[in-house]
Amino acid sequence: AQSVAQPEDQVNVAEGNPLTVKCTYSVSGNPYLFWYVQYPNRGLQFLLKYITGDNLVKGSYGFEAEFNKSQTSFHLKKPSALVSDSALYFCAVRDLNSGGYQKVTFGTGTKLQVIP
Amino acid sequence: EAGVAQSPRYKIIEKRQSVAFWCNPISGHATLYWYQQILGQGPKLLIQFQNNGVVDDSQLPKDRFSAERLKGVDSTLKIQPAKLEDSAVYLCASSVTEEGQGAEAFFGQGTRLTVV
Repeated sequence: AQSVAQPEDQVNVAEGNPLTVKCTYSVSGNPYLFWYVQYPNRGLQFLLKYITGDNLVKGSYGFEAEFNKSQTSFHLKKPSALVSDSALYFCAVRDLNSGGYQKVTFGTGTKLQVIP
Repeated sequence: EAGVAQSPRYKIIEKRQSVAFWCNPISGHATLYWYQQILGQGPKLLIQFQNNGVVDDSQLPKDRFSAERLKGVDSTLKIQPAKLEDSAVYLCASSVTEEGQGAEAFFGQGTRLTVV
């Protein structure tokens, strides 16, 4: 069965500094990986995904993620953090269920706090 | 493009009562998901529909939870009777079906259920 791990419950970073939110995955086949962000009292919003191709994926709001097959990681990054980036971030991995439909498993989330 | 609509936003009920949640997905999205998000955890898939058929309900507590998607558009999720541990945010999401392409999901704002 597929799984994702987000080893940090919370990440604190100063505004203007680069940020990294970590994610590692376990999946039997080729991984399809996603990052979502959740602001308070809101649903999840899609940021970016890796399906195939370049290991560096660019997404919304200046975020990017690097797929590393040898380390089974998909860390989320941004060169310069904004206070408005403070939110809960979820990594997710896709697999196929027995019927061939995609099934997405989410990590436990990492709270990002950007300090002014 | 209108997003995923959910109602109500908040609901407080007593244990053993019944409750129903409604979801209207993005027009044209064939796949609809219901997730349960308990505070401090990532979303957990309860049920997934492809048009009006169920493709995954392996984590749905079928003794008390039920869901339907009549006509392949709107969906309702019901809990009867509710337990204290059902307190959570219930998220509805939809996606365009792309077999093997890892389509991202679009989430509604969720319904926060409190069982007292």
